[in-house]
Amino acid sequence: NAGVTQTPKFQVLKTGQSMTLQCAQDMNHEYMSWYRQDPGMGLRLIHYSVGAGITDQGEVPNGYNVSRSTTEDFPLRLLSAAPSQTSVYFCASSYQRAGGSEQYFGPGTRLTVT
Amino acid sequence: ILNVEQSPQSLHVQEGDSTNFTCSFPSSNFYALHWYRWETAKSPEALFVMTLNGDEKKKGRISATLNTKEGYSYLYIKGSQPEDSATYLCAFMTTDSWGKFQFGAGTQVVVTP
Repeated sequence: NAGVTQTPKFQVLKTGQSMTLQCAQDMNHEYMSWYRQDPGMGLRLIHYSVGAGITDQGEVPNGYNVSRSTTEDFPLRLLSAAPSQTSVYFCASSYQRAGGSEQYFGPGTRLTVT
Repeated sequence: ILNVEQSPQSLHVQEGDSTNFTCSFPSSNFYALHWYRWETAKSPEALFVMTLNGDEKKKGRISATLNTKEGYSYLYIKGSQPEDSATYLCAFMTTDSWGKFQFGAGTQVVVTP
C-alpha cells in the first residue's frame, strides 16, 4: 500500500513549456485534489475530483487542467508554464465524500519556472 | 482570499508547557473542519476531522474543540515535547462549496527543551 504518490519530486521548466504532474493513490479513494503551497498563503486548492470522470475548479485553477479517467490517477497539467507557477504542489485523496474523512497527502512536487 | 484565519502565526513553547491556538472561520453553512500537522520537509498529516458543533477530539496529548455557531476551533497541546514542533493547519468546508477545502496559513509551533 503506497498511499499517495507523486512524480516527479523536482522539476525545472522554462517559461512557456508544458508538463504533467502525476498523482496516484492505491487506496480506492473517491476524492482527490491538487493544492499549491506558497509562503504565507497556506495551501490553495487548484482542482478537485469527487470521483472518476468528475472534476471541478478550486480557488486557483487558471493555467492548470486536470482529468480523472480512473479512480487511481489524477494528473495535473500545466499548459504554458509561467514564473508565477513556481511553487510546491501537493496531491491529496480521501476515502469518503469530501469533508467527511481525512485527506492523505502525497510527498509533493517542487516546481521552478524560469 | 483566506476566509479561515489561524492565530497566532507562530509561538514558542518550553518543553513541558501546554499551549493552544485558534482557527477562525465563517459560521454560516458549516460542513467540516480538519486539523493537520505539518512537519518540515514532510507532507501534512491529518489530526482530526470535526463535523458537529461541540465536537471534542483527542489524540494522545493533542485535543481539539469545535464551535460552529461562533466560528472557531481550538487545538490544545498538553505537556509540549520537542517532537510537537510543526506547523498546524486547519481546513474548512461549507455546504455551499462542497468539495472545496480552504486552508488557513497555519500556526508554527516551536518547542524548545
